[in-house]
Amino acid sequence: AQTVTQSQPEMSVQEAETVTLSCTYDTSESDYYLFWYKQPPSRQMILVIRQEAYKQQNATENRFSVNFQKAAKSFSLKISDSQLGDAAMYFCAYRSPSNTPLVFGKGTRLSVIA
Amino acid sequence: GAVVSQHPSWVICKSGTSVKIECRSLDFQATTMFWYRQFPKQSLMLMATSNEGSKATYEQGVEKDKFLINHASLTLSTLTVTSAHPEDSSFYICSATGGRLHEQYFGPGTRLTVT
Repeated sequence: AQTVTQSQPEMSVQEAETVTLSCTYDTSESDYYLFWYKQPPSRQMILVIRQEAYKQQNATENRFSVNFQKAAKSFSLKISDSQLGDAAMYFCAYRSPSNTPLVFGKGTRLSVIA
Repeated sequence: GAVVSQHPSWVICKSGTSVKIECRSLDFQATTMFWYRQFPKQSLMLMATSNEGSKATYEQGVEKDKFLINHASLTLSTLTVTSAHPEDSSFYICSATGGRLHEQYFGPGTRLTVT
């Protein structure tokens, strides 16, 4: 079974600075998807970024980018120019290519300091 | 983008009663819906997988007689918590998959409080 590990329960960052959230995973599959989700206080799950394992290029969405290291099974999220609205729980998630549920890490609570 | 709704968003019920939560895909047909449970400050835990027209598949440790799931159409799945107890109080989230890449779209969640 696949597992996802987020080793940082809490992180903080100064507004306008850069922060990196860590995520490692374990799988025997060669093809899969990786995601970062944001859960603000409203608790609505918001997709931040996704990465297909077969793509070597790291995904980027505006201020959010990932460092995907397939051999190391590492998938970190970098948030640049942090904003107060970035404060939330961030979950790393794994999914097989087929129609299967997401496997979530335990989450990292990010605080943004003004 | 694809929209998934949940109703109600918040429900309070008395111990021993049953409560139904609806999950709807508003603008797409969902081949599969997933039900998650989230306790405060914890991650999402998968409860069951629901495919239209077939019985739900429950995760280990989830009581299928207590958490009844019905997926009667490609746009609606329901979760009924039967004979609710205070320990069932939690945040319940559904997600629906659609499209060729089985993209998952989350509902806004339902907060259940059992008194």
